Amino acid sequence: DGGITQSPKYLFRKEGQNVTLSCEQNLNHDAMYWYRQDPGQGLRLIYYSQIVNDFQKGDIAEGYSVSREKKESFPLTVTSAQKNPTAFYLCASSPSTAEAFFGQGTRLTVV
Amino acid sequence: AQSVTQPDIHITVSEGASLELRCNYSYGATPYLFWYVQSPGQGLQLLLKYFSGDTLVQGIKGFEAEFKRSQSSFNLRKPSVHWSDAAEYFCAVGASGAQKLVFGQGTRLTINP
Repeated sequence: DGGITQSPKYLFRKEGQNVTLSCEQNLNHDAMYWYRQDPGQGLRLIYYSQIVNDFQKGDIAEGYSVSREKKESFPLTVTSAQKNPTAFYLCASSPSTAEAFFGQGTRLTVV
Repeated sequence: AQSVTQPDIHITVSEGASLELRCNYSYGATPYLFWYVQSPGQGLQLLLKYFSGDTLVQGIKGFEAEFKRSQSSFNLRKPSVHWSDAAEYFCAVGASGAQKLVFGQGTRLTINP
């Protein structure tokens, strides 16, 4: 089945630790996105990539990093510089029509 | 810059009643418009989309939306809601060429039995 797979579903991070969230798609989409969702704040764009080996900062990129070495993969690293990382993270991909397809999300909690 | 406003944070309707969720957008050109639905702890599912043409678009699960350029609106409607429609609904605006989507704050829908 075609789709977007995010893993893990739940992730716990200790203070000062970097963690990486995985996002893989087999839809052959060029564009991929990472959004952060907090209660009452909708979805905010962290990073996006429209082509392999290229990505752009979104509205809240500080404390996050990404890579796009393969078309299918767009991992997100939450670094220790992100002071409030507890949130629900959503990965999406898009063909040229701008319609986005979403994964099931990763819930990150700081412990 | 693009922006989307969903004026209603939370709406409660009775099962079987009609529903309208409001969405207003700001965009410099002809927008691509979307409505997504999210169940708790899940990703977003596309309900419907508007790119061009007929301003009344039909989506899945019996939903429809109407694009009104003069009012910069793209309101979502359903004639008769079911308990399974309880979820959060997001309106989004974008452009062609796989440009990023901008989302509204979301409207949480509660259904009374």
